[in-house]
Amino acid sequence: GAVVSQHPSWVICKSGTSVKIECRSLDFQATTMFWYRQFPKQSLMLMATSNEGSKATYEQGVEKDKFLINHASLTLSTLTVTSAHPEDSSFYICSARSGLAGRTDTQYFGPGTRLTVL
Amino acid sequence: GENVEQHPSTLSVQEGDSAVIKCTYSDSASNYFPWYKQELGKGPQLIIDIRSNVGEKKDQRIAVTLNKTAKHFSLHITETQPEDSAVYFCAASSNQGGKLIFGQGTELSVKP
Repeated sequence: GAVVSQHPSWVICKSGTSVKIECRSLDFQATTMFWYRQFPKQSLMLMATSNEGSKATYEQGVEKDKFLINHASLTLSTLTVTSAHPEDSSFYICSARSGLAGRTDTQYFGPGTRLTVL
Repeated sequence: GENVEQHPSTLSVQEGDSAVIKCTYSDSASNYFPWYKQELGKGPQLIIDIRSNVGEKKDQRIAVTLNKTAKHFSLHITETQPEDSAVYFCAASSNQGGKLIFGQGTELSVKP
């Protein structure tokens, strides 16, 4: 149980284009999802917290107009990288917080999406 | 804000030996402490977690201990196997917002 999927697993795009990444909780409902970014050999950096039906909360230094987050249902959140540039190339990982009794603080992570901007 | 320090950054052990990774946290309000294993090119996988009302938790070869007074917690892996080789992250969170603050990671290498 508690499986989170991401699509696509990897994407290559040209500079200036937009890329959408989907995050789904497959076997549980997630009122809260999180988006992280990870550079090689570094830790996970939280970008934003996404609550179903409301606007995402972005961490300091993360441009909300560049990284658009939509959490339209209890099982789906999307991250759109707008006007991507090479410096946006990274590993993007989502997580979903379980709503199960006694596990409401547990975050389950997706497999990640490798974005390369040429 | 909350800060989590993790040591060591790299750890190499022989197969069958034990491995210990330590983390300290700064926010006394933190009450949830998960450990994640991340293999190359994959997302983090939850391997064990502990809450502040418990001092120790064990799951087969993996155990976690928590010292709330000293604000540190540790991951113990016994009888290590080559497939345990990965990067391990500790994290801490409190009830406020539920955001996980991650440590810097430990690259564990188990040599056969």
